[in-house]
Amino acid sequence: AQKITQTQPGMFVQEKEAVTLDCTYDTSDQSYGLFWYKQPSSGEMIFLIYQGSYDEQNATEGRYSLNFQKARKSANLVISASQLGDSAMYFCAMREHNAGGTSYGKLTFGQGTILTVHP
Amino acid sequence: DSGVTQTPKHLITATGQRVTLRCSPRSGDLSVYWYQQSLDQGLQFLIQYYNGEERAKGNILERFSAQQFPDLHSELNLSSLELGDSALYFCASSSRTSSRETQYFGPGTRLLVL
Repeated sequence: AQKITQTQPGMFVQEKEAVTLDCTYDTSDQSYGLFWYKQPSSGEMIFLIYQGSYDEQNATEGRYSLNFQKARKSANLVISASQLGDSAMYFCAMREHNAGGTSYGKLTFGQGTILTVHP
Repeated sequence: DSGVTQTPKHLITATGQRVTLRCSPRSGDLSVYWYQQSLDQGLQFLIQYYNGEERAKGNILERFSAQQFPDLHSELNLSSLELGDSALYFCASSSRTSSRETQYFGPGTRLLVL
């Protein structure tokens, strides 16, 4: 089964509008971390935002916020006031602890969503 | 700039050859991770090192190996290269192996096997 599912292969948004990129995950761990990365056409992977499974509040970083719904196992990224420079591939990723509580640290990635911002 | 450096940026080689990809983690980071990004497989975890020791292995082929040196830089060795090994190879680093620690990625090495 897919551990991270991003159901939107592509999304379009008008400049200055908000957009939500969906991510659902599957884990039996109680302690885990969820991450979003941005990959522009140049190829680098840029960290955007982190949400811990025990965090009570949704994470925010500037124009990025994470809509974390633990019971639904979803961690959607919200980008407010989209800019042309936001056009990129966006990846949701999860980092789990093993049963012993020591994380091996690897990230499991979704397939990504290509976001295109129109002027 | 993430602080993680990778060399070379681009690599073109032939099938059957061997290449070495190099990664320097962010200052102070003890963990190094290698990932492969290909069109058909997406982003896949290959292997992790922590302070010189191997900590975890993912879907890494037997033709691939890695190590982390005392100065914490890491090398990924790919041998008997096949066309299907063409991909973008990322190194990432973090300071602790806990779920709160963010992995910062290098710019990647784009490998093309002809």
